[in-house]
Amino acid sequence: GQQVMQIPQYQHVQEGEDFTTYCNSSTTLSNIQWYKQRPGGHPVFLIQLVKSGEVKKQKRLTFQFGEAKKNSSLHITATQTTDVGTYFCAEERYSTLTFGKGTMLLVSP
Amino acid sequence: NAGVTQTPKFQVLKTGQSMTLQCAQDMNHNSMYWYRQDPGMGLRLIYYSASEGTTDKGEVPNGYNVSRLNKREFSLRLESAAPSQTSVYFCASYRAYEQYFGPGTRLTVT
Repeated sequence: GQQVMQIPQYQHVQEGEDFTTYCNSSTTLSNIQWYKQRPGGHPVFLIQLVKSGEVKKQKRLTFQFGEAKKNSSLHITATQTTDVGTYFCAEERYSTLTFGKGTMLLVSP
Repeated sequence: NAGVTQTPKFQVLKTGQSMTLQCAQDMNHNSMYWYRQDPGMGLRLIYYSASEGTTDKGEVPNGYNVSRLNKREFSLRLESAAPSQTSVYFCASYRAYEQYFGPGTRLTVT
């Protein structure tokens, strides 16, 4: 089935540094969603990207969908300790989600 | 609104035992889902239900059964638990394009 590859698996940054996670597919993605899961918690929806080349911002978070709809990225500017968690991308197709394996972000104060 | 609720929060089973994980949502959503999450594996879809009375297999359905009891409730049953089913199980419901997840059930099979 469709596979969504996410890198890196893990990243440890100092507070104030930037962070980026990437999501890649060998085939054209339908829609891309991003979720955040805090340690011990459940996934929480962040955003959906639908259009080729789409860029959306939420405060310090910037989400991009590639021109060919085969990749997406989430960039966090000036990380804070509250950004700690695992960030998942997921392809949304016919109301079902196929998740990447996630990027775990650790932020040291 | 409680959103999506799951019971129990934790469960320990012995190999071969059966159990049912319960999920309910109070948001009047048509679609509901069951996922399992294993370390380093992300979330994998077990079964989903697009509407009351319908269920479909996801990526990893073997060893599980589901029941969409009504619009609110969607249960997941393990008939004969195996150690490979040790995992965290999440239920979710869906509206527009957003999935809402429950708090999860942490299941250990020994």
